[in-house]
Amino acid sequence: AQTVTQSQPEMSVQEAETVTLSCTYDTSESDYYLFWYKQPPSRQMILVIRQEAYKQQNATENRFSVNFQKAAKSFSLKISDSQLGDAAMYFCAIRNAGGTSYGKLTFGQGTILTVHP
Amino acid sequence: AAGVIQSPRHLIKEKRETATLKCYPIPRHDTVYWYQQGPGQDPQFLISFYEKMQSDKGSIPDRFSAQQFSDYHSELNMSSLELGDSALYFCASSLDRRAMIETQYFGPGTRLLVL
Repeated sequence: AQTVTQSQPEMSVQEAETVTLSCTYDTSESDYYLFWYKQPPSRQMILVIRQEAYKQQNATENRFSVNFQKAAKSFSLKISDSQLGDAAMYFCAIRNAGGTSYGKLTFGQGTILTVHP
Repeated sequence: AAGVIQSPRHLIKEKRETATLKCYPIPRHDTVYWYQQGPGQDPQFLISFYEKMQSDKGSIPDRFSAQQFSDYHSELNMSSLELGDSALYFCASSLDRRAMIETQYFGPGTRLLVL
């Protein structure tokens, strides 16, 4: 079974500042994918960034980047130059690359991000 | 670009009634996933289909059933509804579950309220 833990129920940041959201996970699989999804008040689930476990290089998407520490099973999300539109619930998620239960996403509990003007 | 379509967007039912939620995946996507998100909770995987066959099953109650049709749309049938079934139900679709970095694209969700 896979588990994802987000230890920060809530975080806040000033506009234009940088914030880091934490995520740890546990899996018995050797190959998997990690994701960060954003859920704004509309409750639409929007993919922010993804990382293949076999890649050592951290993924980056514009102002969003991850710090992937495979040995520590840690996958944090850094948001640079925070904008008001970044305010949302952020979910960390994991998916097997093969083996059993291929495909399904297992989510963490979520972190509510507030951006102050 | 076309997105995942879910209908209805909102549904109000009484206890013990039945409900049918529909999901239309992105064109050419062959895999559909259903998730349930209770109030203040993270989405929980219910069931998935690949090429019209059930591919995985999660914490889906026996009162629920689902299928994927020849046009790849999927329906989630919920019977004997309970108050605890009130939730946001997401459908997500992807192309070729064996492709690299299969990304699941989520629909807007169906908000079900059971009274």
